[in-house]
Amino acid sequence: DVVMTQSPISLPVTLGQPASISCRSSQSLVHSNGNTYLNWFQQRPGQSPRRLIYEVSKRDSGVPDRFSGSGSGTDFTLKISRVEAEDVAVYYCMQGTHWPPWTFGQGTKVEIK
Amino acid sequence: EVQVVESGGGLVQPGESLRLSCAASGFTFRSYWMSWVRQAPGKGLEWVANIKHDGSEKYYVDSVKGRFTISRDNAKNSLYLQMDSLRAEDTAVYYCARARGCEIWGQGTMVTVSS
Repeated sequence: DVVMTQSPISLPVTLGQPASISCRSSQSLVHSNGNTYLNWFQQRPGQSPRRLIYEVSKRDSGVPDRFSGSGSGTDFTLKISRVEAEDVAVYYCMQGTHWPPWTFGQGTKVEIK
Repeated sequence: EVQVVESGGGLVQPGESLRLSCAASGFTFRSYWMSWVRQAPGKGLEWVANIKHDGSEKYYVDSVKGRFTISRDNAKNSLYLQMDSLRAEDTAVYYCARARGCEIWGQGTMVTVSS
């Protein structure tokens, strides 16, 4: 199984400042078709998860452009250019290249300093 | 509006069964893979099972193989999860999600397994 490891686990940030979350996979997430199936999800307190990013860097509809995804192979990053209060949440990465199983990272909690 | 709505959760004793349902609307259900993902209290997300759009392929996480069965009824735009031989460690909120990439999520339904 592919193990997804996120860091940090907790990320205190100042409003208006950038934030960056790392996600590393135990093997390359490049599929034989050339695509890389790495998604990012946001789960606000008391809410269901919501997908933000798919295939490393493609933003889902309605996702603010302050969210961006990057990376390749085994190393991926979710960046928030300027953190807003509504960004307080737990963020998860998930791989869909080597399945089953589909696997999630353990989550990164973003909070305001 | 594209949405999925789960139902069927509740409190059961260890060894008992429960059937979860997920009603889909606002999209062509029969064209999509569907997923179940769970979240134990205070914990992270865990993929549980997937089913292909026509039901011809099904996949499960090892911890539920032989106990859980995913199914769908495309005529009713519905997804199901039959959970048998439930254990305390199955206690979680169960989410239905559209596609293998989990692009749309429901609000979840709570399953509590306790004596």
